Amino acid sequence: GENVEQHPSTLSVQEGDSAVIKCTYSDSASNYFPWYKQELGKRPQLIIDIRSNVGEKKDQRIAVTLNKTAKHFSLHITETQPEDSAVYFCAASKGGNSGYSTLTFGKGTMLLVSP
Amino acid sequence: DSGVTQTPKHLITATGQRVTLRCSPRSGDLSVYWYQQSLDQGLQFLIQYYNGEERAKGNILERFSAQQFPDLHSELNLSSLELGDSALYFCASSPLGEGRGELFFGEGSRLTVL
Repeated sequence: GENVEQHPSTLSVQEGDSAVIKCTYSDSASNYFPWYKQELGKRPQLIIDIRSNVGEKKDQRIAVTLNKTAKHFSLHITETQPEDSAVYFCAASKGGNSGYSTLTFGKGTMLLVSP
Repeated sequence: DSGVTQTPKHLITATGQRVTLRCSPRSGDLSVYWYQQSLDQGLQFLIQYYNGEERAKGNILERFSAQQFPDLHSELNLSSLELGDSALYFCASSPLGEGRGELFFGEGSRLTVL
């Protein structure tokens, strides 16, 4: 089955800095890569996702890049703010002509943004 | 509010006991997923149901079972509980079960086994 590795496990930045979280996946047939944010004591919520037919997607301060050849994808947060502090999970799955699998999550990155 | 409802929010029980966690998906969603979240293991996929049928199975223990009812709500049954079963159990739903789409998570049920 799919295996998703996520790094780093913790990340501390100063407000205004950029943060980058990286993930690798094992199943070359995976074609859907979402990122979820989980604030302390809350449920995970989707913040951005990318499909394998594009290499980059951006939504305001958040961007995700995908390198299918290397089987890795990354989350980039610019101009970080204290409210960005949370645990971020990457995930991978496949659907459509590639077959089917449910989301496999990485173990999470705790991001702490200090004022 | 995701529209996914989980009950109970908190549950404390003893080893060897059995509990049932309940999930009501968002209106119109056909797929229900169960995930276990413990401190060092992230979100572990347990099982998925789609329109009443089991669709996918993850690392679900034989002591655990689930089902989805005709009204699409789902229940996760945990039996012969052990200390290591203490975790936050999330239910999520999605409109379909095609593998590429947003999951909407409930607030979770926190199980503590003493």
